[in-house]
Amino acid sequence: DGGITQSPKYLFRKEGQNVTLSCEQNLNHDAMYWYRQDPGQGLRLIYYSQIVNDFQKGDIAEGYSVSREKKESFPLTVTSAQKNPTAFYLCASSIEWASGGLDYEQYFGPGTRLTVT
Amino acid sequence: KQEVTQIPAALSVPEGENLVLNCSFTDSAIYNLQWFRQDPGKGLTSLLLIQSSQREQTSGRLNASLDKSSGRSTLYIAASQPGDSATYLCAVIGNTGKLIFGQGTTLQVKP
Repeated sequence: DGGITQSPKYLFRKEGQNVTLSCEQNLNHDAMYWYRQDPGQGLRLIYYSQIVNDFQKGDIAEGYSVSREKKESFPLTVTSAQKNPTAFYLCASSIEWASGGLDYEQYFGPGTRLTVT
Repeated sequence: KQEVTQIPAALSVPEGENLVLNCSFTDSAIYNLQWFRQDPGKGLTSLLLIQSSQREQTSGRLNASLDKSSGRSTLYIAASQPGDSATYLCAVIGNTGKLIFGQGTTLQVKP
């Protein structure tokens, strides 16, 4: 089955610890994205990658870091610098970066709920 | 700056009713508009994508329309069922290449 997997589904960490969220896709998509969702708010873009070995900051990148060493993988690290890390994190991918056509339809993974205490 | 608004925030209807969810956006220079469904604690499922040159898209009981000039889209759900209960999100993409989301409409369909 083709799709996007995120692991783990639930993650608990102590304040001050870095934590890495996994995102893998077997759709052969070039572009990948990380979003954060908080209760009552829409999704906000953290980081995105248009192609392997390249990534850019989204709207709320502070306290987060990413890497894109392989086309299939786009892990997100939530660092201790992130002031309010407890949230639902969603990874997505699209065939390519927005080109004005169907190819950028985004497909989402099941999400990881991170709780930091 | 593009802003996307969805009204109402919540909606409760009896089973079998036809319903319309609304989405408005402030900048009409969009490439596409995408409607998603999200079940509690789950990821997003793409329902329909409307390109800027299109006026509507249909999938089963769902029909989405797009009026770029007025900055509006509607998602029409025919003959609603309890299984349609979920949060529905619309999102637009423009020349920034970023998908901008509304806050969603939470739908409850009562048996």
